Amino acid sequence: SQQGEEDPQALSIQEGENATMNCSYKTSINNLQWYRQNSGRGLVHLILIRSNEREKHSGRLRVTLDTSKKSSSLLITASRAADTASYFCATGGNDMRFGAGTRLTVKP
Amino acid sequence: GAVVSQHPSRVICKSGTSVKIECRSLDFQATTMFWYRQFPKQSLMLMATSNEGSKATYEQGVEKDKFLINHASLTLSTLTVTSAHPEDSSFYICSARDLGHHYEQYFGPGTRLTVT
Repeated sequence: SQQGEEDPQALSIQEGENATMNCSYKTSINNLQWYRQNSGRGLVHLILIRSNEREKHSGRLRVTLDTSKKSSSLLITASRAADTASYFCATGGNDMRFGAGTRLTVKP
Repeated sequence: GAVVSQHPSRVICKSGTSVKIECRSLDFQATTMFWYRQFPKQSLMLMATSNEGSKATYEQGVEKDKFLINHASLTLSTLTVTSAHPEDSSFYICSARDLGHHYEQYFGPGTRLTVT
């Protein structure tokens, strides 16, 4: 069964704008990871945030984690057309469960 | 970073035949590997957890006799789709947990299976 739900399911923005995607999950976690997937391709690991962390940055990516609300957000700043992809959150533990994903389209 | 490979990347087979997909951890040891399937425009669904030297644990609704999993070594797990049908056509992705990094999993590039 799936663990999380991403919101929104689809997001379309212009190049240069920021994109924010949210993820909610149901059970306790050890960590939460964000992945991207280009159409028909494998997963690319973006960032991992541990349950005792609240915020993490990596380049143009900013991830927050609120364990009290069981939610996380992924912010992509200054988006580029190449950021067009599906983005998934996944909760880690004994096994990893994925949310439904957000399909991001960045228009040039 | 840790690398996981899958072979083949694409396979087309006829209904009724069996297909084997390999998942290898190239530069680390993995006591646990995971198999997922993904339908178009959908998320990844965990099928089973593969443990080296023991039987796999299957998720509810996944037929263990249809999806045979073997984890014979610390670097190799195989998924065999037996008596494949067109509805088994999907994108299959494996992941492996690095012994040295308990909570981090690394994903393979996926295998596109088409059953005609």
